[in-house]
Amino acid sequence: KQEVTQIPAALSVPEGENLVLNCSFTDSAIYNLQWFRQDPGKGLTSLLLIQSSQREQTSGRLNASLDKSSGRSTLYIAASQPGDSATYLCAVKMDSNYQLIWGAGTKLIIKP
Amino acid sequence: DGGITQSPKYLFRKEGQNVTLSCEQNLNHDAMYWYRQDPGQGLRLIYYSQIVNDFQKGDIAEGYSVSREKKESFPLTVTSAQKNPTAFYLCASSPYGTNTGELFFGEGSRLTVL
Repeated sequence: KQEVTQIPAALSVPEGENLVLNCSFTDSAIYNLQWFRQDPGKGLTSLLLIQSSQREQTSGRLNASLDKSSGRSTLYIAASQPGDSATYLCAVKMDSNYQLIWGAGTKLIIKP
Repeated sequence: DGGITQSPKYLFRKEGQNVTLSCEQNLNHDAMYWYRQDPGQGLRLIYYSQIVNDFQKGDIAEGYSVSREKKESFPLTVTSAQKNPTAFYLCASSPYGTNTGELFFGEGSRLTVL
């Protein structure tokens, strides 16, 4: 059974730092992996989607990598800003017809 | 603007009452989903629907019911049989057939049982 883990559960860093959020999964036979952002009391916004054949995806200051063999994805945020403060969740899809399996998220706080 | 609208945003319920959460989308998406979010846990799938008049149970369907009479609407009823209904409920949709799994979410509804 696939399990998705995000460690740490919370992270606080000063503004301007580059940082990495981690997502680990136990079964490497994934279809794709997505990163989402959730602001407090709000819904989720899709940030990046990586297909199983891809190694990374980039959007602005965000870069997500995927290493299936090690069961790991990282979300790199460059030059962090207070507006980046949110909870970041990853989710994996095991098959084209399978539903998503979610991590519990990492709560990120960027201190001004 | 295109998007997903959930209502109400906050809802309080007494034990033993059924409540219905509304989810409407104007994205012309075929698939719609209901998730439950509890503190410190990943999202858990309650029900999903890939086409009108059809829906399937997710991982935690007990105590919940849904209908999909229109493409745009996928209401969720939390029944009195749900033992621990206090949670944040999220509705999502996706363009079925793309197989990419990209989801679009509403703003959520927070249900509190008094």
